[in-house]
Amino acid sequence: DAKTTQPPSMDCAEGRAANLPCNHSTISGNEYVYWYRQIHSQGPQYIIHGLKNNETNEMASLIITEDRKSSTLILPHATLRDTAVYYCIVRVDSGNQFYFGTGTSLTVIP
Amino acid sequence: DTAVSQTPKYLVTQMGNDKSIKCEQNLGHDTMYWYKQDSKKFLKIMFSYNNKELIINETVPNRFSPKSPDKAHLNLHINSLELGDSAVYFCASSPAGSGNTIYFGEGSWLTVV
Repeated sequence: DAKTTQPPSMDCAEGRAANLPCNHSTISGNEYVYWYRQIHSQGPQYIIHGLKNNETNEMASLIITEDRKSSTLILPHATLRDTAVYYCIVRVDSGNQFYFGTGTSLTVIP
Repeated sequence: DTAVSQTPKYLVTQMGNDKSIKCEQNLGHDTMYWYKQDSKKFLKIMFSYNNKELIINETVPNRFSPKSPDKAHLNLHINSLELGDSAVYFCASSPAGSGNTIYFGEGSWLTVV
């Protein structure tokens, strides 16, 4: 089952940074933190993942706390197309499972 | 080319029928999955195959039977369809090993009437 907790919903003004938090207090030392998003009626889309260090790509930044018990996904300049459900996932070691939680429904407001 | 493709995209069928959803990935991945997303939008893993071998079989009725003819294909066959089977079914794939990303198809919308 999902090992993460996220707020059910958030709003963000267009053009502002969206900061989406995730708690994963039971994460093991070699488990990765992944972020996906699902835009309405589409398949989940990979955003970013990390183990210990902060990560950045063309879509977002991932900030992982030093104790690895929580992380924050940052969309630096949110657009209306970023409105979606964002899932934080801790990947279990064996069997390549990805267990999705309930995610955060992000609404970007014009 | 679509990396993970599923057919059909939409399927409406009557209770009691048997139907299949096909999935193909052209990414050369070793592992493939089926997920189910119900009306409450909860995305739940059903099966995972690694190199044509079943790795995960979550608590799914045995009316659901995955078939992997080769590592690029993972089809989902459903017998005796019930109203509660109505959902969106997502196929996905990933390379083997931890730290690897999983890629999803666009989903198959199944409606049982």
